[in-house]
Amino acid sequence: DADVTQTPRNRITKTGKRIMLECSQTKGHDRMYWYRQDPGLGLRLIYYSFDVKDINKGEISDGYSVSRQAQAKFSLSLESAIPNQTALYFCATSFAGSSDTQYFGPGTRLTVL
Amino acid sequence: GQQLNQSPQSMFIQEGEDVSMNCTSSSIFNTWLWYKQDPGEGPVLLIALYKAGELTSNGRLTAQFGITRKDSFLNISASIPSDVGIYFCAALNTGTASKLTFGTGTRLQVTL
Repeated sequence: DADVTQTPRNRITKTGKRIMLECSQTKGHDRMYWYRQDPGLGLRLIYYSFDVKDINKGEISDGYSVSRQAQAKFSLSLESAIPNQTALYFCATSFAGSSDTQYFGPGTRLTVL
Repeated sequence: GQQLNQSPQSMFIQEGEDVSMNCTSSSIFNTWLWYKQDPGEGPVLLIALYKAGELTSNGRLTAQFGITRKDSFLNISASIPSDVGIYFCAALNTGTASKLTFGTGTRLQVTL
């Protein structure tokens, strides 16, 4: 079984809709992250959480919000989706006690029409 | 935001050839990581480097943490078709606010 899972794997939605992407992990890691990947730009950090009650903005947080419901779950929301949020979204986890090496989920491909 | 300078952006090589790619930064980092991403999948960790000057191997892959702590290199020996994919370098300074910074990727394509 995969250690980091993301749902859905693919989603097509319309401008203005609210979308939630889910991430779950069984690695027992305390830290979780959401990244966005666009062609030619690598991965950019949206939000990250070092513990259940800890939420931090990343490089490109505008237009996004997150919720850390439990140590194993971290969800990303687009309150009102717009076309330039079309991208691949990745969740990652790490353990502070292991030099913070991050492990990635399989990704969600989101298309906003 | 800051990103790492990764080169080359893409490369075609013949099966059996050796491959080299590198990553540079204007900032110092204390951890360098190399990931590989296959189409439709998330990045998978290949090698982690934690000490300046460190040389680490993982099968046909060898990576080095530059002595200045501002760069890293990845070499793949005797490439095979399954080496196709995008290779990303990433770096961070571990601590209370540690965040990964990524390179823009090297797309590797292998011709038979």
